[in-house]
Amino acid sequence: QVQLVQSGAEMKKPGSSVTVSCKAVRGTFSTYTFTWVRQAPGQGLEWMGRIIPIVGTTNYAQKFQGRLTITADKSTSTAYMELSSLEFEDTAIYYCARDLEITVPSPIGYWGQGTLVTVSS
Amino acid sequence: DIQLTQSPPFLSASVGVRVTITCRASQGVGKYLAWYQQKPGKAPELLIYPSSTLQSGVPSRFSGSGSGTEFTLTISSLQPEDFATYYCLQLGDYPRTFGQGTKVEI
Repeated sequence: QVQLVQSGAEMKKPGSSVTVSCKAVRGTFSTYTFTWVRQAPGQGLEWMGRIIPIVGTTNYAQKFQGRLTITADKSTSTAYMELSSLEFEDTAIYYCARDLEITVPSPIGYWGQGTLVTVSS
Repeated sequence: DIQLTQSPPFLSASVGVRVTITCRASQGVGKYLAWYQQKPGKAPELLIYPSSTLQSGVPSRFSGSGSGTEFTLTISSLQPEDFATYYCLQLGDYPRTFGQGTKVEI
């Protein structure tokens, strides 16, 4: 069974950066698409971006262009999400997720436990 | 970017009733639309993909239909465990986008 384990909660100041990690403890890593989705308190789901580790291909939502970087380390089966120039509005739960299948397009089928990032002065 | 508009944003219903949620896309996505259910404090769970295929383990009271720009999620007989928020997600193009959600409450 696929299991994605994310790093712990973070508290950051405005203008700083945060990096959240996502380790695939079980399941194949490199050939699947890994996606980051966030959810602000009481709000809906927001698709941020994705990576295919085996080729390094990334796509980002326009909203985050320039301050979001998604990377992957195949040797440790870990994906990373770095968001810079944090604002109060970036306070949210950040989810790492993996596609259900290799076939394209595949929906997200597996989710990490979520990481709460709080931006506060 | 493809915009998804869900309606209604809130739905108040009783156990046993039939409910329908609509998801409209700003441009065609073929059949590449997924439906998710999210309960408070939990990650979303995949219900349907592509537009009308029920995922393994999902109760048969859930069904999906549509293609192109208009899609529906139907729960034929609402059960207590179905009270949750439902989201559509388009996989027709990047960036992927979610609908704003439909909260189903008692």
